[in-house]
Amino acid sequence: AQSVAQPEDQVNVAEGNPLTVKCTYSVSGNPYLFWYVQYPNRGLQFLLKYITGDNLVKGSYGFEAEFNKSQTSFHLKKPSALVSDSALYFCAVRDTGFQKLVFGTGTRLLVSP
Amino acid sequence: ETGVTQTPRHLVMGMTNKKSLKCEQHLGHNAMYWYKQSAKKPLELMFVYSLEERVENNSVPSRFSPECPNSSHLFLHLHTLQPEDSALYLCASSPSGASVPRTEQYFGPGTRLTVT
Repeated sequence: AQSVAQPEDQVNVAEGNPLTVKCTYSVSGNPYLFWYVQYPNRGLQFLLKYITGDNLVKGSYGFEAEFNKSQTSFHLKKPSALVSDSALYFCAVRDTGFQKLVFGTGTRLLVSP
Repeated sequence: ETGVTQTPRHLVMGMTNKKSLKCEQHLGHNAMYWYKQSAKKPLELMFVYSLEERVENNSVPSRFSPECPNSSHLFLHLHTLQPEDSALYLCASSPSGASVPRTEQYFGPGTRLTVT
């Protein structure tokens, strides 16, 4: 079965510094990978996805993610963090059944002023 | 976020009550989903509807009963719930069919359910 792992429960970064939120995946076949963000008392919002093509994927709010096939990783990055980026971030992979997304456990990002 | 709406946003119910959660999507999608989000646990997929037909039911207790009358509306009927059912219930939608692997799901804001 497809799966993703987010090894960090929480990431702390100072405003203006680069941030990385880690995700590794395990799939059979081609990976379809997604990042979502969840702000307090809100649903999940789509940030970006990797389907095929360039390994660097650009998404909403200045976020980008790097797909690395040899390391089976899909880390989320941003060159300069904002306090407003503080939220819960989820990595997900499309399951072989296609209708289903399999989510990681989430990483809480805290950006300090 | 207005593409998928959920009502009510908050619900407190006793263990003997019957209530329903409603989800509506305005995106022209054909697949809809119910998820349960509990503290300290991964997001749990409960039900999947594609073209108004239930295609997945992840061993959810029968006290949760989904209904999909058309491709725009999804309900979750609740009865005789337990305190451990307290959680955030999220609805999502996506296109259905051959393009599905490449498309993302769009989520509603969720219903915060508390069972007393």
